[in-house]
Amino acid sequence: QITLKESGPTLVKPTQTLTLTCTFSGFSLSTSGVGVGWIRQPPGKALEWLALIYWNDDKRYSPSLKSRLTITKDTSKNQVVLTMTNMDPVDTATYYCAHSRLRTLDFDYWGQGTLVTVSS
Amino acid sequence: QSALTQPASVSGSPGQSITISCTGTSSDVGGYNYVSWYQQHPGKAPKLMIYDVSKRPSGVSNRFSGSKSGNTASLTISGLQAEDEADYYCCSYAGSSTFVVFGGGTKLTVL
Repeated sequence: QITLKESGPTLVKPTQTLTLTCTFSGFSLSTSGVGVGWIRQPPGKALEWLALIYWNDDKRYSPSLKSRLTITKDTSKNQVVLTMTNMDPVDTATYYCAHSRLRTLDFDYWGQGTLVTVSS
Repeated sequence: QSALTQPASVSGSPGQSITISCTGTSSDVGGYNYVSWYQQHPGKAPKLMIYDVSKRPSGVSNRFSGSKSGNTASLTISGLQAEDEADYYCCSYAGSSTFVVFGGGTKLTVL
């Protein structure tokens, strides 16, 4: 079955760079039509899509955060890494990674999420 | 402010039906049949309930249905059950530049 799990720091300081890793199993990011996305959710607020990477290394970013985000994949390790620069307290959120399908453009399997707090 | 507009809250009694709306524009909801809906219980990850406007993933109850008219998509839950109490989010493809947008979420209360 498909599983995903996010890992990374729980606390980062303002202006620092956040690096999150999504480690998955049950699928391969070399399979046509498969993607992995990142979505975040500030405490008590709505979901916000951040980035997506596909099997063919096509990368998509939220326009409002594009300048701060980088998404990469390591197919051999079954991992996707998201980096976000210049972190601010407003970036405090639970960060989720999710399996996505190009054919339907949805997120059908989600990780448990990881809470990242930005504070000095 | 989210790109897609949802009511902040809806409520219904057990056994009743409710509908949650998701209003966008011709650049997202109205322009593509790539609307999905997610259910999120407190402290849990979202769960895909509807994709491609009206399709249900395997294992999702047929009490959940989706539709779309113009720039507004809708999620209907029939035969409300206590376990349906959760937050619901819509999501749409929004073209090659914006790509994906979520709604602001709707809190469903089962009275």
